[in-house]
Amino acid sequence: DADVTQTPRNRITKTGKRIMLECSQTKGHDRMYWYRQDPGLGLQLIYYSFDVKDINKGEISDGYSVSRQAQAKFSLSLESAIPNQTALYFCATSEENTDTQYFGPGTRLTVL
Amino acid sequence: AQSVTQPDIHITVSEGASLELRCNYSYGATPYLFWYVQSPGQGLQLLLKYFSGDTLVQGIKGFEAEFKRSQSSFNLRKPSVHWSDAAEYFCAVGGNFGNEKLTFGTGTRLTIIP
Repeated sequence: DADVTQTPRNRITKTGKRIMLECSQTKGHDRMYWYRQDPGLGLQLIYYSFDVKDINKGEISDGYSVSRQAQAKFSLSLESAIPNQTALYFCATSEENTDTQYFGPGTRLTVL
Repeated sequence: AQSVTQPDIHITVSEGASLELRCNYSYGATPYLFWYVQSPGQGLQLLLKYFSGDTLVQGIKGFEAEFKRSQSSFNLRKPSVHWSDAAEYFCAVGGNFGNEKLTFGTGTRLTIIP
């Protein structure tokens, strides 16, 4: 079984809809991250969480929100999706004091 | 603020040829440096990392990278590429004993020709 899983893997939605992307991990890591990948821009950090009670904004948090339901679960929400949020979204986890991040397989989101 | 530059957007090499992917970073203290690989339709997989010690680090799949503090570089190398190495490669920098979030470069796409 994969250590970091993301659901759904693909999603097509319409402008204005609310959508949630979910991430689960079995690595036992406290730290979790949400990134967005666009062609030519690399990975941009949306939100990160160093433990269940700690949530921090990343570089591009506008239009997104997150929920850390448990150590193993970190969800990303788009309250009202817009077309320029069409992208590939990755969840990642890391151990404290190593910076080494482990990535999920990604969710491809299309907003029409 | 920390930053990473990967100056080559796309590189094409012949199978069996050597490879070097460039990465330059900006960080105010001792950096933690990483190379990740992303195969088509896949997530990112860690190839190798540098925290301290020997400046030449070995990774998976026959890759290595050399940390050069004087040049602020962490270039990735492989002596002989295989068709399966075709992918996108990302360099990343962090630090502060693991308490700094990572900053990624924009990636280099590698194409392998027979």
